[in-house]
Amino acid sequence: DTEVTQTPKHLVMGMTNKKSLKCEQHMGHRAMYWYKQKAKKPPELMFVYSYEKLSINESVPSRFSPECPNSSLLNLHLHALQPEDSALYLCASSQEAGTGFHEQFFGPGTRLTVL
Amino acid sequence: GQNIDQPTEMTATEGAIVQINCTYQTSGFNGLFWYQQHAGEAPTFLSYNVLDGLEEKGRFSSFLSRSKGYSYLLLKELQMKDSASYLCAVMDSNYQLIWGAGTKLIIKP
Repeated sequence: DTEVTQTPKHLVMGMTNKKSLKCEQHMGHRAMYWYKQKAKKPPELMFVYSYEKLSINESVPSRFSPECPNSSLLNLHLHALQPEDSALYLCASSQEAGTGFHEQFFGPGTRLTVL
Repeated sequence: GQNIDQPTEMTATEGAIVQINCTYQTSGFNGLFWYQQHAGEAPTFLSYNVLDGLEEKGRFSSFLSRSKGYSYLLLKELQMKDSASYLCAVMDSNYQLIWGAGTKLIIKP
């Protein structure tokens, strides 16, 4: 199984809603990532988890809250988002983080629209 | 600062060869990746170079010159399905990926 899955595929939410994005991988990878991607732009790193611990937080606003319940799952909790947060949210995983070449496998993404 | 440059858009003909260049200036270097991304989809891994030289994988090849801060992705026997964005990304000294803005490749019949 070389797949990263993400749910939901599409999400529309209001600025007062609370929602969560989910990501799952069963490749035994110990590093998982959240990226945000705007149209025609490269992915922007948000968070990195290594061995279920948050290792990198790229100064992301607190309205985005990551959670790694176990080595296969990664969540992104959303609260009080702004319309400018509308983007494609990509989850990725790799065998390790911070130790040299490890290809990142990306999930299909969640297309988020904030009204 | 860290910087990765690649052309914004390129056009090529089906069956032809195209070379997409990438130049970089980063704090440290732990390898260079090329990813393909079709519109609205996730990036998929194409290649990785950490030593100078050419890596060949089927119709795709990637070249690296660390002294010049330069890489290219070579696509041969172009097919319509190769129409996509091609992202160059460098792993810096902190093992974080620094991404280029991507090159949109348009294939014409």
